[in-house]
Amino acid sequence: QVQLQESGPGLVKPSETLSLTCTVSDDSISSYYWGWIRQPPGKGLEWIGYIYYSVTTYYNPSLKSRVTISVDTSKNQFFLNLSSVTAADTAVYYCARVFGYNDPRVFDVWGQGTMVTVAS
Amino acid sequence: QSALTQPPSASGTPGQSVTISCTGTSSDVGGYNYVSWYQQHPGKAPKLMIYDVTKRPSGVPDRFSGSKSGNTASLTVSGLQAEDEADYYCSSYAGRKTVVFGGGTKLTVL
Repeated sequence: QVQLQESGPGLVKPSETLSLTCTVSDDSISSYYWGWIRQPPGKGLEWIGYIYYSVTTYYNPSLKSRVTISVDTSKNQFFLNLSSVTAADTAVYYCARVFGYNDPRVFDVWGQGTMVTVAS
Repeated sequence: QSALTQPPSASGTPGQSVTISCTGTSSDVGGYNYVSWYQQHPGKAPKLMIYDVTKRPSGVPDRFSGSKSGNTASLTVSGLQAEDEADYYCSSYAGRKTVVFGGGTKLTVL
């Protein structure tokens, strides 16, 4: 079973860019969509976006202006950049494998999540 | 793209059946047979329990089942067990390569 592991700073200053990495344990990164989901403390899940084979990206319309997802297939890693962060971006950030090539819709493998706090 | 609507809480005693609803619109739940359900225990990552309305991934007990009618999907947990106590989230494909989640339901086993 493939495993995912998020990594990155746990504290980001307001107005700066949040950058996270998700490392995939096998070589399947070119075969699936890969996504990011976040969960503010005590709140529900929010889809951020996903990427397929470093070519195609799709983002939550509410975050689209600030989000960039990219991939490095040589390192089996994909990345999240979220710019101009505020306290509202404080959350646990999860990376996940996405099932469904034509209609990517199912997050079937998840990382353990990483807490990111936005504060000065 | 608005969040799907779930009841904030649900409960049942061991052995009972509990059903959690997830209401959307014709643009998401009602428009596609692509509803998923996730279980999340405190401090843990979500776990996929049901996908494409009724399908169970390998390893998920058959006590968990899904259904859909119109713009509302449902997750039923039969033969409730203590370990089923968790938060449950629905999600739906919403077209144009987008996904929307529900607000979550806290299931308590009394």
